[in-house]
Amino acid sequence: GQNIDQPTEMTATEGAIVQINCTYQTSGFNGLFWYQQHAGEAPTFLSYNVLDGLEEKGRFSSFLSRSKGYSYLLLKELQMKDSASYLCAVRDSNYQLIWGAGTKLIIKP
Amino acid sequence: IAGITQAPTSQILAAGRRMTLRCTQDMRHNAMYWYRQDLGLGLRLIHYSNTAGTTGKGEVPDGYSVSRANTDDFPLTLASAVPSQTSVYFCASSDRPTGELFFGEGSRLTVL
Repeated sequence: GQNIDQPTEMTATEGAIVQINCTYQTSGFNGLFWYQQHAGEAPTFLSYNVLDGLEEKGRFSSFLSRSKGYSYLLLKELQMKDSASYLCAVRDSNYQLIWGAGTKLIIKP
Repeated sequence: IAGITQAPTSQILAAGRRMTLRCTQDMRHNAMYWYRQDLGLGLRLIHYSNTAGTTGKGEVPDGYSVSRANTDDFPLTLASAVPSQTSVYFCASSDRPTGELFFGEGSRLTVL
């Protein structure tokens, strides 16, 4: 079966750095997405990786290793507004998105 | 502001009743999707449409139906609601099947 694993919850301190990991087992691979979802709101797109390596976008970076079935989202200079759930999703060989259950990130002052 | 509009935002429904969740987008995206989101689970695809006039079944299609008469609208119908359909429903669209998804604000449905 297809599976996306990410930690259920993480806690970090304002101003610090946090890394949210995502491992996947899917039938084929056509890209990996990270979305942010604040409580009670819709998911919003953060990043997309299809080739191995690091994609940087401001305070957020996303890394992919296709051979290891692994990605991480790195958040720097954490702000209170970064408290949210972070969703990892992989496109399989049929171009269907397989979603992880999300990682709830709690930022403490 | 361009985007996706869902209605209603929240609804309590008696079991056995018929319910249609509406979704309209003004971005002229070809692909549209309906997901449900339940606590502790990832988003699960109910139905999708790659272009107007075509629809397909997702991971959890039973008890739901969709139509795509035009590019902008993609309604989701529960023919006879059951309590297990209590969930938050998100409509999403994409300009291509491989692109990022844009989500509506969600419809919170409670079936009693």
